[in-house]
Amino acid sequence: NAGVTQTPKFRVLKTGQSMTLLCAQDMNHEYMYWYRQDPGMGLRLIHYSVGEGTTAKGEVPDGYNVSRLKKQNFLLGLESAAPSQTSVYFCASSRTNYNEQFFGPGTRLTVL
Amino acid sequence: AQSVTQLDSQVPVFEEAPVELRCNYSSSVSVYLFWYVQYPNQGLQLLLKYLSGSTLVKGINGFEAEFNKSQTSFHLRKPSVHLSDTAEYFCAVSPLMDTGRRALTFGSGTRLQVQP
Repeated sequence: NAGVTQTPKFRVLKTGQSMTLLCAQDMNHEYMYWYRQDPGMGLRLIHYSVGEGTTAKGEVPDGYNVSRLKKQNFLLGLESAAPSQTSVYFCASSRTNYNEQFFGPGTRLTVL
Repeated sequence: AQSVTQLDSQVPVFEEAPVELRCNYSSSVSVYLFWYVQYPNQGLQLLLKYLSGSTLVKGINGFEAEFNKSQTSFHLRKPSVHLSDTAEYFCAVSPLMDTGRRALTFGSGTRLQVQP
């Protein structure tokens, strides 16, 4: 069991470039989440999904899009990266809304 | 909506000393409560959780937390810390009922620094 995996681990972008972060889980979880972590602010929810084919906005969704075409994958896209999107991005999954969430190792993104 | 306040951003402590990391929450509905630990350059790992039942919850690595409903607190404690406990600790809450948003609300984190 790999749990939750994220690719890539590191990425540097120039302002205006686009990229997609991939999250995969092998636990057959219904719920998946994307968070960003910034110093002194804890984790903030960007988008989440309650099942295959569904997505919903979280706390800080602007500038990001997501897709969940397959149950095991949750993609986070940045269409036009901005320096304010420099952060560490974590993906998580859970079986239900009250079960623990399992986190991936994170992607460190720098936007110049 | 829920909010979580971790009162200390950093807690320095000597090895083998006891420690308490404080967490208070605010919610209009009943909640589940969690503590996560993040070691340097890693993802978050569940330390313990309170869903129902006994208000004293034991977790991994010798940590425990006590749920106090009247004070809306969920403080984390360990009687004797090790150098390996140096990490960032996050308190989080999740609503029991379907409020249309299925996710944890995290506190801003407390960095525990264990010194020899």
